[in-house]
Amino acid sequence: DTAVSQTPKYLVTQMGNDKSIKCEQNLGHDTMYWYKQDSKKFLKIMFSYNNKELIINETVPNRFSPKSPDKAHLNLHINSLELGDSAVYFCASSQEPRYTEAFFGQGTRLTVV
Amino acid sequence: AQKVTQAQTEISVVEKEDVTLDCVYETRDTTYYLFWYKQPPSGELVFLIRRNSFDEQNEISGRYSWNFQKSTSSFNFTITASQVVDSAVYFCALATSGTYKYIFGTGTRLKVLA
Repeated sequence: DTAVSQTPKYLVTQMGNDKSIKCEQNLGHDTMYWYKQDSKKFLKIMFSYNNKELIINETVPNRFSPKSPDKAHLNLHINSLELGDSAVYFCASSQEPRYTEAFFGQGTRLTVV
Repeated sequence: AQKVTQAQTEISVVEKEDVTLDCVYETRDTTYYLFWYKQPPSGELVFLIRRNSFDEQNEISGRYSWNFQKSTSSFNFTITASQVVDSAVYFCALATSGTYKYIFGTGTRLKVLA
């Protein structure tokens, strides 16, 4: 069983489209995250949720909207995609980060053309 | 401010050489965790180790070892007798109490040549 699974793995779409990435974890963790990895491999936090509540929104454009229907799921919807949104998006989960590591999904490579 | 610095952008070594990846962190919190992750060419992020701020013992796991020194705010990672399969990008990360995020360094790309 995959601990943190995200779909799709690859996403190619045109500018202006709307797309979603889904994430599910079966580890029973309270906290879930979205990270963006750019072409230089820099990993930057976008959002974190704890018990379905938004804790961090790290100055992400409001075209990005996370939704957590329950503790095990954290989806990411992106409106009006731009070329600069091309990146790898990672979902992750953990218990409180002060105490334990995050487990990451396999990533979604988003290419906007 | 919290920050993780990995000054080495890329390191190349020949197989069987030892290599140390440097990590320097900044935080004012007294309680924090440090982590190392490996990202092989396949792209997934693989957890390697965590260390809390109260435990300065060095750790060894097979060919991997970690040196945590609070006095210099460093958490360095050494691979002994490197192998081609060690080729990857390695990330150091920091988490502090109540912040609900992991702050990553910019990563070090390690190339191990046969």
